[in-house]
Amino acid sequence: QVTLKESGPALVKPTQTLTLTCTFSGFSLTTSGMRVSWIRQPPGKALEWLARIDWDDDKFYSTSLKTRLTISKDTSKNQVVLTMTNMDPVDTATYYCARTPRGYYYGMDVWGQGTTVTVSS
Amino acid sequence: QSALTQPASVSGSPGQSITISCTGTSSDVGDYNYVSWYQQHPGKAPKLMIYEVSNRPSGISNRFSGSKSGNTASLTISGLQAEDEADYYCSSYTSSSTYVVFGGGTKLTVL
Repeated sequence: QVTLKESGPALVKPTQTLTLTCTFSGFSLTTSGMRVSWIRQPPGKALEWLARIDWDDDKFYSTSLKTRLTISKDTSKNQVVLTMTNMDPVDTATYYCARTPRGYYYGMDVWGQGTTVTVSS
Repeated sequence: QSALTQPASVSGSPGQSITISCTGTSSDVGDYNYVSWYQQHPGKAPKLMIYEVSNRPSGISNRFSGSKSGNTASLTISGLQAEDEADYYCSSYTSSSTYVVFGGGTKLTVL
């Protein structure tokens, strides 16, 4: 069974750096074609894709947030980590990680439950 | 403002069919067959319903189908059921700006 679970602080202050961890099971990020993405959703708003890391360590970022994001993986721990610097109240959202298996290209077939992050002083 | 344009809401009665449109540009929907559709119930994570325009993941009902014409992709749900009531989002690969863009979402109400 494939599962992903996000973890991280529920509350961060403006200008702080957010670190989120996606811990997954049921698949390996060393498998050819496997990808893990981060997506966020502000309250009552649409989904926004943030970043992706591939099995071969290729990394892709949203152009609008590229200067603030870093994505990395620890295959021994089955984890993907996203850091976002200089947090602002507009970054308040539910943050999801999701998997794209080989052959699905840009479709994300399994999602974590999401973790809610509030940015406030 | 989302990169892909969806109607804010659609509605239908049980048993009917509805279609949700998703309009992009030649930089995304028009030039690439990488359109996906997601269903999201309140307070839940999105669920993949369609990928690569018209492919259904394993376990997704054949009542859900996808298509594309020009810069517009569509999700059709036939034999509408109460449990289909949810928000639906389209997404696409894009060759401009970010790699993946989402639509603004469509709220489906089953009357």
